Amino acid sequence: NAGVTQTPKFRILKIGQSMTLQCTQDMNHNYMYWYRQDPGMGLKLIYYSVGAGITDKGEVPNGYNVSRSTTEDFPLRLELAAPSQTSVYFCASSYPIGQGFSYEQYFGPGTRLTVT
Amino acid sequence: KQEVTQIPAALSVPEGENLVLNCSFTDSAIYNLQWFRQDPGKGLTSLLLIQSSQREQTSGRLNASLDKSSGRSTLYIAASQPGDSATYLCAVFFYNQGGKLIFGQGTELSVKP
Repeated sequence: NAGVTQTPKFRILKIGQSMTLQCTQDMNHNYMYWYRQDPGMGLKLIYYSVGAGITDKGEVPNGYNVSRSTTEDFPLRLELAAPSQTSVYFCASSYPIGQGFSYEQYFGPGTRLTVT
Repeated sequence: KQEVTQIPAALSVPEGENLVLNCSFTDSAIYNLQWFRQDPGKGLTSLLLIQSSQREQTSGRLNASLDKSSGRSTLYIAASQPGDSATYLCAVFFYNQGGKLIFGQGTELSVKP
């Protein structure tokens, strides 16, 4: 399994441009997530999905959109990029373990985005 | 509000020392707690996951404990090595969070040769 893959690895955007960050997982995980991590800070949840066709907002959704048309893919769309969106973006997926409700998360390598 | 806190924010130790990283959380109603390692400029690597019914998990020189009643977890690293230098993040899967992990800010560990 390739696990969680993200493209691109790096990107520089000008203010007002748009782009889509791609995330794919090949582990058949139902849950997928997008986080951002600012320098010296922890991770903040942007959006998440509990399955194909279902998405929900996290802590910092403004300026972003997502879709989940398949189990494997969870793209993150930035519209009208702003300098405040300069960050490292991580995609993750999780699956249930045991017979309870524990979920273990796996992370992609990240996309480093700079908006100037 | 459900929160996760890690103290200290940074820690520097000489090689060979045993050390403990701390994680506290505000609500004992959790499904599991997960410890991650993050190297500079890299993604997160899962180290250990403790389910709510468990008290500890071990992997090599790492041992993570969980005390739900006090809202605490510790990550014990034995015989630290310079290669252990990284940021360690604690994340909690609370009830009623719809599958979302809540992350602490991390502890940046530096192990000096």
